[in-house]
Amino acid sequence: GNSVTQMEGPVTLSEEAFLTINCTYTATGYPSLFWYVQYPGEGLQLLLKATKADDKGSNKGFEATYRKETTSFHLEKGSVQVSDSAVYFCALNDYKLSFGAGTTVTVRA
Amino acid sequence: DSGVTQTPKHLITATGQRVTLRCSPRSGDLSVYWYQQSLDQGLQFLIQYYNGEERAKGNILERFSAQQFPDLHSELNLSSLELGDSALYFCASSALRGGIGETQYFGPGTRLLVL
Repeated sequence: GNSVTQMEGPVTLSEEAFLTINCTYTATGYPSLFWYVQYPGEGLQLLLKATKADDKGSNKGFEATYRKETTSFHLEKGSVQVSDSAVYFCALNDYKLSFGAGTTVTVRA
Repeated sequence: DSGVTQTPKHLITATGQRVTLRCSPRSGDLSVYWYQQSLDQGLQFLIQYYNGEERAKGNILERFSAQQFPDLHSELNLSSLELGDSALYFCASSALRGGIGETQYFGPGTRLLVL
């Protein structure tokens, strides 16, 4: 079946550091790929998405590129802030969302 | 704010009891999804309704059931509750029947604690 694997956390960074969270997927067909973010005590918010190979999703300084050849959708941000501290989920959509385990990111001032 | 609302925010109950979780989708959205988030299982898809009809089923226990009403709000019923049912239950909605490119928007969740 379809599945998503993302790097285990937790990840702790200093402000202005570069963030990468690896995500790879297994799927039949051509799913859409998403990154969702969950801030403490809140629900899931869509961060960005890509619907086909080579698409790049971007939002709030975060970027991810749908790589079919490596079945990956890694999340990156060039300069993180304390407010980026959250749990990040990679997901694929083939009518339902299949989520990775989530990566907890903590950014220190 | 995603536009998806869920009530109640918190629920504490005892084993063997039955509870109902409620979800109102974003205005105009026809599909509602239910997900369970627990520490050991992560985020798991339970069930989807589209315009009042069940469209897809995931890892939903037989003790759990859902429905979507004519006004498109949805309810998730959990019965014969066990300690392991303690989790965060999310509702999400999307515009249409849930195609591959459709975005799902999540509510704030209902935190269920079974004692």
